[in-house]
Amino acid sequence: DADVTQTPRNRITKTGKRIMLECSQTKGHDRMYWYRQDPGLGLRLIYYSFDVKDINKGEISDGYSVSRQAQAKFSLSLESAIPNQTALYFCATSDSHRGGSYEQYFGPGTRLTVT
Amino acid sequence: KQEVTQIPAALSVPEGENLVLNCSFTDSAIYNLQWFRQDPGKGLTSLLLIQSSQREQTSGRLNASLDKSSGRSTLYIAASQPGDSATYLCAVYGEKLTFGTGTRLTIIP
Repeated sequence: DADVTQTPRNRITKTGKRIMLECSQTKGHDRMYWYRQDPGLGLRLIYYSFDVKDINKGEISDGYSVSRQAQAKFSLSLESAIPNQTALYFCATSDSHRGGSYEQYFGPGTRLTVT
Repeated sequence: KQEVTQIPAALSVPEGENLVLNCSFTDSAIYNLQWFRQDPGKGLTSLLLIQSSQREQTSGRLNASLDKSSGRSTLYIAASQPGDSATYLCAVYGEKLTFGTGTRLTIIP
């Protein structure tokens, strides 16, 4: 089984609908992240969480919210979806920095289309 | 703010050639640098991760180098194959992970 899973893998929704993307991990990591990728662009950070009680905004958090339900689960919500939120969404996890070195592990991605 | 640049944005080479992909970054205070491969519309496949104390990492036909002082990394692919066609992303670990926009590689049979 994959260490980082995302559901759903593909989703088409209409403008104005609320949608939730879910991420689960079995790596036992404290830190979890949500990114979005637009065509021709690198990944950009939406939100990140260093533990269940610590949630932080990334560079493009407007229009999104998150919930860290448990150490292993981190959900991303679009309260009222709009077409420019059509993108590929990735969840990632990492351990805490140890001696300055760490690595993020990525889920398979969720393709979201807002019509 | 860390900025990561990958040039060229696209590259086409004949099968069998050796090639180099480039990545540059503006802030040399990094922990690691990682190269990923991404097929169209798909997820990320980690290729190589270089820690800041290392100069290079090798895996099969791939070799990645890191020069922190100059803010540069290269990914060398030997004896390219059509299956190497994909987008290659460079990502730099500072306090946050910053991605480049990628190089779209096409290997011509």
